[in-house]
Amino acid sequence: DGGITQSPKYLFRKEGQNVTLSCEQNLNHDAMYWYRQDPGQGLRLIYYSQIVNDFQKGDIAEGYSVSREKKESFPLTVTSAQKNPTAFYLCASNLRGLPQETQYFGPGTRLLVL
Amino acid sequence: AQSVAQPEDQVNVAEGNPLTVKCTYSVSGNPYLFWYVQYPNRGLQFLLKYITGDNLVKGSYGFEAEFNKSQTSFHLKKPSALVSDSALYFCAVRDLNYGGATNKLIFGTGTLLAVQP
Repeated sequence: DGGITQSPKYLFRKEGQNVTLSCEQNLNHDAMYWYRQDPGQGLRLIYYSQIVNDFQKGDIAEGYSVSREKKESFPLTVTSAQKNPTAFYLCASNLRGLPQETQYFGPGTRLLVL
Repeated sequence: AQSVAQPEDQVNVAEGNPLTVKCTYSVSGNPYLFWYVQYPNRGLQFLLKYITGDNLVKGSYGFEAEFNKSQTSFHLKKPSALVSDSALYFCAVRDLNYGGATNKLIFGTGTLLAVQP
C-alpha cells in the first residue's frame, strides 16, 4: 500500500447525501484511477486521470464525480444519484499510464449506507 | 472483447504443498498480465507481471507465474505454500481497447486461496 493513502477507512452515507473519498499519492505518478470492488465481481473502473485537470469516465461512472486539481490528489465523490454505493473503493496510480507499468493500489475505503 | 477468467472461486492446499491458481485471458495483440494479492479489508498488492521475454516470471514472496501463449494462460504458482499465503488473488490484463496511453486493467473475479496447517 505504500505511497498511496486513502481516507477514511470506513465511511457511512445517509440517503440523499453526497460523500467524498480521499486519495493521495506521493509517488509522483501522473496517472490515477478509481475502482469499485464488489464481492465476486472483481474490480471495475469508475474514473481515471492521466494528467492534472483532465479525467475520463470508466466503465461505471454514473453516480460518481472526480476532480484532479493537483497531481498527488484524486478525490472521488459518491453522489446521491448512485443508488447502490455500498462497496469497497480502491484508488490506484502508475507513473505515466504506459501499458507495461505496474499499477499500485491504496488501502481502500469501505462505504456503507445507513 | 478483452477478458480474464479465474475458473476457481477457491483453492485449498495443505501447508508445504505446491499451489497453483489458474488464470486464462483473451486479448487481441500481445498481452500485459499481472497478479495481485489482497488480504482482508486491504488494498491490492502487486506480485508479478508479464510484459515480454521469459515465459516464467518470478515475483514477490516466492511466487512465480508461467505465461503460455498457446493456451492463453498465466497461472500463478508457488513450490511450497504457507498458511500466511491465504488471501484473495486477482489476475489482470491490460485493456488494449482503451488505447496505448491508458493502463486500465481488466480483473478476474478473484480466487480465494486457503492454506491449511
